Amino acid sequence: AQKITQTQPGMFVQEKEAVTLDCTYDTSDQSYGLFWYKQPSSGEMIFLIYQGSYDEQNATEGRYSLNFQKARKSANLVISASQLGDSAMYFCAMRDSPHPYDYKLSFGAGTTVTVRA
Amino acid sequence: DVKVTQSSRYLVKRTGEKVFLECVQDMDHENMFWYRQDPGLGLRLIYFSYDVKMKEKGDIPEGYSVSREKKERFSLILESASTNQTSMYLCASSLNFGDTYNEQFFGPGTRLTVL
Repeated sequence: AQKITQTQPGMFVQEKEAVTLDCTYDTSDQSYGLFWYKQPSSGEMIFLIYQGSYDEQNATEGRYSLNFQKARKSANLVISASQLGDSAMYFCAMRDSPHPYDYKLSFGAGTTVTVRA
Repeated sequence: DVKVTQSSRYLVKRTGEKVFLECVQDMDHENMFWYRQDPGLGLRLIYFSYDVKMKEKGDIPEGYSVSREKKERFSLILESASTNQTSMYLCASSLNFGDTYNEQFFGPGTRLTVL
């Protein structure tokens, strides 16, 4: 079963506007972590933001914030004041196996964001 | 800064060839991972390793093997390359943490084409 679902294959956003990227997850663990990565056209994966399942506050990192709704199992990424350099593919990922020696992440299919001037 | 390097950015091989993809990290990370990335499928884990000489299968290990003889180096081996292994291959590394935080640091990727 798919652990991470990103339903938006591609999105367009106007420069300086905010954009929300959807991510839903599936896990039966109580303890898990959610990550967002950015992949520009150069191909390198860049870590953006992390949310732990027990974190009471939504995570924020500069222009990135995570809208974490635990009951709905969603972890949407919000990019505020979009810039042309935000054009990239964005991946949601989860670690839901906090057991020794099991540090793998499950990734979604990704969402391509194109920022228009 | 953590640095993860991969031996090639682009590689073209023929069907049936043995292919080695090398990954090196310089931050003394215990964990190393190999993913392949295909359009519409995201990143899928092939193998990972949490220590030298240790390896664990990921979601799609068939047709691949790995080797980790030194802590900093993790190799992905395609014993007999096939056209359906044409893909982008990404290597990553991370520290061992006891909780759920486990940021992975990625290399630049190798785009492999099998003809």
